[in-house]
Amino acid sequence: DAGVIQSPRHEVTEMGQEVTLRCKPISGHDYLFWYRQTMMRGLELLIYFNNNVPIDDSGMPEDRFSAKMPNASFSTLKIQPSEPRDSAVYFCASRKLAGVFNEQFFGPGTRLTVL
Amino acid sequence: AQSVTQLGSHVSVSEGALVLLRCNYSSSVPPYLFWYVQYPNQGLQLLLKYTSAATLVKGINGFEAEFKKSETSFHLTKPSAHMSDAAEYFCAVSEYAGNMLTFGGGTRLMVKP
Repeated sequence: DAGVIQSPRHEVTEMGQEVTLRCKPISGHDYLFWYRQTMMRGLELLIYFNNNVPIDDSGMPEDRFSAKMPNASFSTLKIQPSEPRDSAVYFCASRKLAGVFNEQFFGPGTRLTVL
Repeated sequence: AQSVTQLGSHVSVSEGALVLLRCNYSSSVPPYLFWYVQYPNQGLQLLLKYTSAATLVKGINGFEAEFKKSETSFHLTKPSAHMSDAAEYFCAVSEYAGNMLTFGGGTRLMVKP
């Protein structure tokens, strides 16, 4: 299996621009998670989906952030407008409903820099 | 609510020395506990997990962790550090049948030659 795929791996943009991060989960996985990693706050769960439906978005920091999962093989995290404090590494993870006790498989991350 | 505390944001050991990374958790129900490793510029990779089958859990790359309910701890150890172990290590907790992982702040392990 190819694992969780994220694109782009690096993104540099200017304040005010729209940013879209993409994730392809492992085939057959039922859950998809979006995390943000910063030096100050560590790893934070932003939102997660079950069978393409958002279950908990309490970690989404502001209305500028939105996430969608139009089908089982694709999800996006959008920031509009972006701000310098959004600079972070964004990880996507997925897992099966049943199987190995909540083990999540992580993608390589997207490093976002907002100037 | 659940939480994870990792004591020591940075740990430095010499090659061949014992590695001990500390993790304490709080959970209102019996937890599932995990250790993940993150190498530079990579995603997180599962090292090992505790799922109540055995209190001493062996993982990849020679790491192991012991679940101690009385101490609410799940410390990660390796008898002999290798240069390739230099990375950041995260402890995480999930409630039984829960979907969310709560991560600790991470511990960066440095291995000196």
